[in-house]
Amino acid sequence: DTAVSQTPKYLVTQMGNDKSIKCEQNLGHDTMYWYKQDSKKFLKIMFSYNNKELIINETVPNRFSPKSPDKAHLNLHINSLELGDSAVYFCASSQGQEQETQYFGPGTRLLVL
Amino acid sequence: AQSVTQLGSHVSVSEGALVLLRCNYSSSVPPYLFWYVQYPNQGLQLLLKYTSAATLVKGINGFEAEFKKSETSFHLTKPSAHMSDAAEYFCAVSPTGGGNKLTFGTGTQLKVEL
Repeated sequence: DTAVSQTPKYLVTQMGNDKSIKCEQNLGHDTMYWYKQDSKKFLKIMFSYNNKELIINETVPNRFSPKSPDKAHLNLHINSLELGDSAVYFCASSQGQEQETQYFGPGTRLLVL
Repeated sequence: AQSVTQLGSHVSVSEGALVLLRCNYSSSVPPYLFWYVQYPNQGLQLLLKYTSAATLVKGINGFEAEFKKSETSFHLTKPSAHMSDAAEYFCAVSPTGGGNKLTFGTGTQLKVEL
């Protein structure tokens, strides 16, 4: 009965590779997000989708491309991985947008070697 | 742009002592404010949120926070710390009328000692 799930949980890969992280929520929420948490635990939003439409796109390299096939899924594809991409990536969802609580997934720990 | 500042990246308290984690926000209008907790190797969980209703907000696990406009603060408190409270705590701000973009503080690591 996991609310927000992410796969994989851990991802170790070489520089230059392309990888994807998947996120699914079973809460019936309309809005989904991707956040990046760096090694100092600083959290920053990357993207937000509402009903499959991109609504927040922070200053993120265009190697990162989110895709929302339906409102229950928001995947993150990363091309040409770099060392600096190593971080924990969190998916979240909320019902609507304004002031709504965001529910976070367990995170995907990405290590680029 | 809105932001939050968390004073003290590490706070240590004794079990049973008062917990006080500080958060100050910067915003031209009162924003929405949140406190999230992150246990080791887990995602974030909402403790409580302020959305312009009551200024004293009660959350889960005995935590509460008071919104003080004059001080632009939203400090998190708990009267008596428990060992299970040891975690990373994040204050976050979201603009009113601007979607649900959360801007997080840098976090405070709470350590609870016997």
